[in-house]
Amino acid sequence: EAGVAQSPRYKIIEKRQSVAFWCNPISGHATLYWYQQILGQGPKLLIQFQNNGVVDDSQLPKDRFSAERLKGVDSTLKIQPAKLEDSAVYLCASSSPRGGITGELFFGEGSRLTVL
Amino acid sequence: QQQVKQSPQSLIVQKGGISIINCAYENTAFDYFPWYQQFPGKGPALLIAIRPDVSEKKEGRFTISFNKSAKLFSLHIMDSQPGDSATYFCAARGGGSNYKLTFGKGTLLTVNP
Repeated sequence: EAGVAQSPRYKIIEKRQSVAFWCNPISGHATLYWYQQILGQGPKLLIQFQNNGVVDDSQLPKDRFSAERLKGVDSTLKIQPAKLEDSAVYLCASSSPRGGITGELFFGEGSRLTVL
Repeated sequence: QQQVKQSPQSLIVQKGGISIINCAYENTAFDYFPWYQQFPGKGPALLIAIRPDVSEKKEGRFTISFNKSAKLFSLHIMDSQPGDSATYFCAARGGGSNYKLTFGKGTLLTVNP
């Protein structure tokens, strides 16, 4: 079974530039999450999708971050304009309906963003 | 607002020793408590998990102890091995339909050979 795919793995941009990250979840997983992991901290949920609908985006900085999950499969997270404090690893995770009940999320390897 | 407090921040253990990581939570609505293991350059992966109606769960060398009244839970790694060297995160799932996980800040475990 293929895992959660993310790209790019690494990205370096100047502040005020824009960046986009892509995620393809495990096949059949209805729930998709984007987490932000700042160095030395635990993952923080940015947005959660159930199929192509948003379940929770309460911690998403909506003035600069946006995310979409068209057709309920893969997803894109965009940051525009980027700030220095956005430097982090952006983790995508997915879970099946049963996985959601058990709490098991399957994470991708992450996209590391450096904002200069 | 940090709803899950994890300690210690880092831990060094000799091979064969016991590693203990502690977490405290505040929200009594949490209904599921997983531990995730993360190796450098990889995403976190589920290690073991417990529900609050159970006081202990053991899987191989890994044991979760849960104290509902004190709102504390801990991970014990018996016979620690160098391959266990990783960052460990406790987490708690909020009650409700969105199964939102709140993570602790993580513990960097180093097991010396």
